[in-house]
Amino acid sequence: GESVGLHLPTLSVQEGDNSIINCAYSNSASDYFIWYKQESGKGPQFIIDIRSNMDKRQGQRVTVLLNKTVKHLSLQIAATQPGDSAVYFCADNSNSGYALNFGKGTSLLVTP
Amino acid sequence: EAQVTQNPRYLITVTGKKLTVTCSQNMNHEYMSWYRQDPGLGLRQIYYSMNVEVTDKGDVPEGYKVSRKEKRNFPLILESPSPNQTSLYFCASSFLDRVITGELFFGEGSRLTVL
Repeated sequence: GESVGLHLPTLSVQEGDNSIINCAYSNSASDYFIWYKQESGKGPQFIIDIRSNMDKRQGQRVTVLLNKTVKHLSLQIAATQPGDSAVYFCADNSNSGYALNFGKGTSLLVTP
Repeated sequence: EAQVTQNPRYLITVTGKKLTVTCSQNMNHEYMSWYRQDPGLGLRQIYYSMNVEVTDKGDVPEGYKVSRKEKRNFPLILESPSPNQTSLYFCASSFLDRVITGELFFGEGSRLTVL
């Protein structure tokens, strides 16, 4: 069965607002959780990762939160821009350490 | 420019006609992998390689072969393609210590249609 899954297949936000994309996971043994961005016609692009012993990690305009109690992962994008429109995937490395287990993705649409 | 290059980007073929999708990376990565992406199923790993002459099956290896004779190249071979192999294929690479943290570099994808 699937180890990671996203809560919503699509999300629409206005330019300038903050976006929150959610993901649930089932395998407590996962060591890392990762977020990828895939723009139309392109390959997935690594955004940020968080180790299982952390609750929060920040990058440039992005923050990932990990709640191990409820097995929940979220990606927050501050001041969302049109260039943020893409499909976002959460993933974990639960399979073997050398294979990522991807969720199905949330499509983020940024409207002007 | 650091990149993962796949060829062809688009291919329409017929059932049973052998084909190879090439993948090359210029970042001296030890690790390379192939994924397929299908609507509703997400990205699924086909094969991966941790170094030259070392390959392992992923989640969906049936119908595919790979080889790793050189560090930079990791071709995906479909000996006898079938319509259920119609998909969008991605090659990815990374350093071994970055694979653990999930940081892969993906190519632009190869869209394959098998009639």
